[in-house]
Amino acid sequence: NAGVTQTPKFRILKIGQSMTLQCAQDMNHNYMYWYRQDPGMGLKLIYYSVGAGITDKGEVPNGYNVSRSTTEDFPLRLELAAPSQTSVYFCASSYSIGFNQPQHFGDGTRLSIL
Amino acid sequence: KNQVEQSPQSLIILEGKNCTLQCNYTVSPFSNLRWYKQDTGRGPVSLTIMTFSENTKSNGRYTATLDADTKQSSLHITASQLSDSASYICVVSPNTGNQFYFGTGTSLTVIP
Repeated sequence: NAGVTQTPKFRILKIGQSMTLQCAQDMNHNYMYWYRQDPGMGLKLIYYSVGAGITDKGEVPNGYNVSRSTTEDFPLRLELAAPSQTSVYFCASSYSIGFNQPQHFGDGTRLSIL
Repeated sequence: KNQVEQSPQSLIILEGKNCTLQCNYTVSPFSNLRWYKQDTGRGPVSLTIMTFSENTKSNGRYTATLDADTKQSSLHITASQLSDSASYICVVSPNTGNQFYFGTGTSLTVIP
């Protein structure tokens, strides 16, 4: 079972560059999420999607964009990278937001902006 | 303000010993509380999910308790193993909107 796959695992960007973090799940989950995890902080929700074609902002969406053209894929786009976006990014998926549905996480993308 | 606070921030225990991690929350109205285990360099993995009506839920050597009245939860680890070394994260969801409130985690180190 692949579960949730994130690529790349590591990336270093220069200030002002852009990139796309890839996320794919093979569990036919409707819900997908992007989080960032900063040292000593809890995970913060960036964007989420409840199905193909539907996305919505989370707690910290500024500087990011997402799209959901298929059930499987949920890429996160960084435009004009800034040092404040240095973080570990986690993608997750779940069958629904229902009260007994766990989120399945990928292993993260470690991103440094220099 | 919806918050999730965990204690202690870090903990070191001897292999074979038991330990209890705490989670206090102010999230309202409450829907469910989750405990995740996050190994270093990996994504979180679900241990338990508890709803309002559940007081205790076990997953092997992990037992979670929930007191919805006092808004407290604990995760008890029995007969700890070296592989239990990880960060344990408490996550609370309200029953309105698509939101999860994450605690900052307790870093557990089990030493031989």
